[in-house]
Amino acid sequence: AQTVTQSQPEMSVQEAETVTLSCTYDTSESDYYLFWYKQPPSRQMILVIRQEAYKQQNATENRFSVNFQKAAKSFSLKISDSQLGDAAMYFCAYRVYNQGGKLIFGQGTELSVKP
Amino acid sequence: EAGVAQSPRYKIIEKRQSVAFWCNPISGHATLYWYQQILGQGPKLLIQFQNNGVVDDSQLPKDRFSAERLKGVDSTLKIQPAKLEDSAVYLCASSLSTSLNEQFFGPGTRLTVL
Repeated sequence: AQTVTQSQPEMSVQEAETVTLSCTYDTSESDYYLFWYKQPPSRQMILVIRQEAYKQQNATENRFSVNFQKAAKSFSLKISDSQLGDAAMYFCAYRVYNQGGKLIFGQGTELSVKP
Repeated sequence: EAGVAQSPRYKIIEKRQSVAFWCNPISGHATLYWYQQILGQGPKLLIQFQNNGVVDDSQLPKDRFSAERLKGVDSTLKIQPAKLEDSAVYLCASSLSTSLNEQFFGPGTRLTVL
């Protein structure tokens, strides 16, 4: 069974600093996608960044980047120049290529940003 | 464009009562998902629709949960009768199709079962 594990329930970062959130997953599939979602308090979940497993290059979206290690089944999120608005619950998620749209989520990491 | 709409936003019921949630996806989105998010956990897929057909309901507790998507647009999720462990946020999401299209999430319905 596919599983996603986030081992850091809570993380804290100083404003303008860099923080890395960890995620590992387990799968026997070779083609899949990985995602990081952001869920601000009492607000809707939004997609932060997406990585296709067949791509060796790590995805980047402005201040957000990932470190994708396929052999190690690791998918960490780096947030650079952290801002107060980055404070939220972050979820790592996985879906198999061409098997519907079902997302499998990790338990989440709550990120706080200190001014 | 308008996002995914859900109602009600909050609901408190007693165990053994019934409850229904409503979701209106983004216009034109063929795929609709219902996720259950228990406090402290990540969302878990309950059911997925492609238009008005069910694609995946393997994790839906069918003895008490039911869902429908009449006419392939709006969807309702019902719990009857509710149990204490059903307390959770119920998230609706939609996407253009089941291929790699971004899933857009609604604000969720927070259910408390007393």
